[in-house]
Amino acid sequence: AQSVTQLDSQVPVFEEAPVELRCNYSSSVSVYLFWYVQYPNQGLQLLLKYLSGSTLVESINGFEAEFNKSQTSFHLRKPSVHISDTAEYFCAVSEDAGGTSYGKLTFGQGTILTVHP
Amino acid sequence: SQTIHQWPATLVQPVGSPLSLECTVEGTSNPNLYWYRQAAGRGLQLLFYSVGIGQISSEVPQNLSASRPQDRQFILSSKKLLLSDSGFYLCAWSVDWGPRNTIYFGEGSWLTVV
Repeated sequence: AQSVTQLDSQVPVFEEAPVELRCNYSSSVSVYLFWYVQYPNQGLQLLLKYLSGSTLVESINGFEAEFNKSQTSFHLRKPSVHISDTAEYFCAVSEDAGGTSYGKLTFGQGTILTVHP
Repeated sequence: SQTIHQWPATLVQPVGSPLSLECTVEGTSNPNLYWYRQAAGRGLQLLFYSVGIGQISSEVPQNLSASRPQDRQFILSSKKLLLSDSGFYLCAWSVDWGPRNTIYFGEGSWLTVV
């Protein structure tokens, strides 16, 4: 069965500093990987996803994540954060068990990113 | 474009009272619909999903039930709320089926059971 571990529950950083939010997963089959962002008192928004092709995927607001199959990781990075990036970030994984299997998303526990001025 | 509406946004209910959270999706036909719960410090847990009218699958045993009376309407209910039902409930939808599909979330409903 799949599981997702976000190694840091909270990450405080200063504005314009780089940040990395870590995500590791475990699965015995092929996986697809997602990062969602949740701003305070709002629902989740898709930030970026890896389905196939290049292992480095990017979002429109400067975040990127790299799928590392050997390390079973999908860490999220941004070279320079803004105050507006303050939010909770969720890593999610779905397994490809073949056929018409339902692609259940399993979420990590979330990482709260706080950007200080 | 597709949009998802969920209400009420905030709800405070006494223990033992009933619950009804409603969700509708606009701009798409025959979506897959989901109810998730986000309890404090516990991430997101899938409660129910539906691939069509009247078709409900439950992921975990609980005090809640779901119904899909119309193609784009999904309702989460309880006959008698428990304190442990408190949390942030999120309705979500997707177009495709299978592990590659992207799930889109509504704004959520805060439920506090007192």
